[in-house]
Amino acid sequence: AQTVTQSQPEMSVQEAETVTLSCTYDTSESDYYLFWYKQPPSRQMILVIRQEAYKQQNATENRFSVNFQKAAKSFSLKISDSQLGDAAMYFCAYRKMNRDDKIIFGKGTRLHILP
Amino acid sequence: ETGVTQTPRHLVMGMTNKKSLKCEQHLGHNAMYWYKQSAKKPLELMFVYNFKEQTENNSVPSRFSPECPNSSHLFLHLHTLQPEDSALYLCASSQAPGTSFEQYFGPGTRLTVT
Repeated sequence: AQTVTQSQPEMSVQEAETVTLSCTYDTSESDYYLFWYKQPPSRQMILVIRQEAYKQQNATENRFSVNFQKAAKSFSLKISDSQLGDAAMYFCAYRKMNRDDKIIFGKGTRLHILP
Repeated sequence: ETGVTQTPRHLVMGMTNKKSLKCEQHLGHNAMYWYKQSAKKPLELMFVYNFKEQTENNSVPSRFSPECPNSSHLFLHLHTLQPEDSALYLCASSQAPGTSFEQYFGPGTRLTVT
């Protein structure tokens, strides 16, 4: 069975600094999607970034980038120039690349931004 | 309104009550989902609907009964719940199931069972 592990329940970073959230997963599939979702205190979860496993290039969205290591089954999220609005729960998630609708989420990492 | 809306935002109910959670999406999506989010546990998928048809029931107890009258509306009917059912219930929608399209989440309903 697929699992997603986020080993850091909480992290803090100084405003304007860079922080990396870690995520590892377990799967026997070769093709799949990986996601990072953000859930601010208002609770509406939004997609931050998506990576297709067949793409070697790491996904980037403005200040957010990932380090995708397929062999190591690692998918970390780097947030550059941290802003107060980045404070939230961050969930790493996995889904097989077929008609399976099931997204497997990690337990989340709560990120605090220190002014 | 835009996006995915959920009502009520907060609900307190006794174990013998019957209540319903409502979700509405204004995005023209075809798939809708119910998730349960408990403290210190991963988000759990409960139900998936695709074009109003239920395509996934993730071993959810029968005290949770979903209903999807059309692609824009999704309900979760609750009856004889247990205290351990207290959680944040999130609704989501996507353009099509089984694709790379992201899921759009509602703000959730915070349910407390007393």
